[in-house]
Amino acid sequence: DGGITQSPKYLFRKEGQNVTLSCEQNLNHDAMYWYRQDPGQGLRLIYYSQIVNDFQKGDIAEGYSVSREKKESFPLTVTSAQKNPTAFYLCASSSRQEVNQPQHFGDGTRLSIL
Amino acid sequence: KQEVTQIPAALSVPEGENLVLNCSFTDSAIYNLQWFRQDPGKGLTSLLLIQSSQREQTSGRLNASLDKSSGRSTLYIAASQPGDSATYLCAAWGNFNKFYFGSGTKLNVKP
Repeated sequence: DGGITQSPKYLFRKEGQNVTLSCEQNLNHDAMYWYRQDPGQGLRLIYYSQIVNDFQKGDIAEGYSVSREKKESFPLTVTSAQKNPTAFYLCASSSRQEVNQPQHFGDGTRLSIL
Repeated sequence: KQEVTQIPAALSVPEGENLVLNCSFTDSAIYNLQWFRQDPGKGLTSLLLIQSSQREQTSGRLNASLDKSSGRSTLYIAASQPGDSATYLCAAWGNFNKFYFGSGTKLNVKP
């Protein structure tokens, strides 16, 4: 089945540690996105990528980094500079970063601090 | 800056009731509006996408409308069922090629 796979489902970070969240899609989509969701709030955009080897900062990029070496993969690294990393992280993709292209989401990774 | 608001934050109804979820946005210059469903601990599932040139979209018991001039969209759920219990989010695609999300309405349909 085509879809988006995020792993791990749960992740714990020690202080000063960088952690990487995986996002893989087999939908042949060009555009991929990372969102952060906090309780009772909407999704906020961290980074997005329209094409391989290119990505742009979203609204809350500080303390995060990404790479897009392959079309299928868009990993997110939460660095030690992110002082409040506890949240639910969602990866999404769409066929192109254009209007009227529905976004498809993975099942998310819940990150907590030890 | 575009702001998307969903009221109420939570709603509890008995099974079988027809209900309306509201979404408002401050900047009417949107290209489309998408409604999503989110189950606890899960990602988002797209329900309906309304293009800016459209007034409504229907899928089964769901009907979404869009009024750009007033900055409003509604999601109508007919004959609600316990399986409809979830959080419903709306998102407006606007400037800078990105979605602006509301914080959601948590729906509980009681058997």
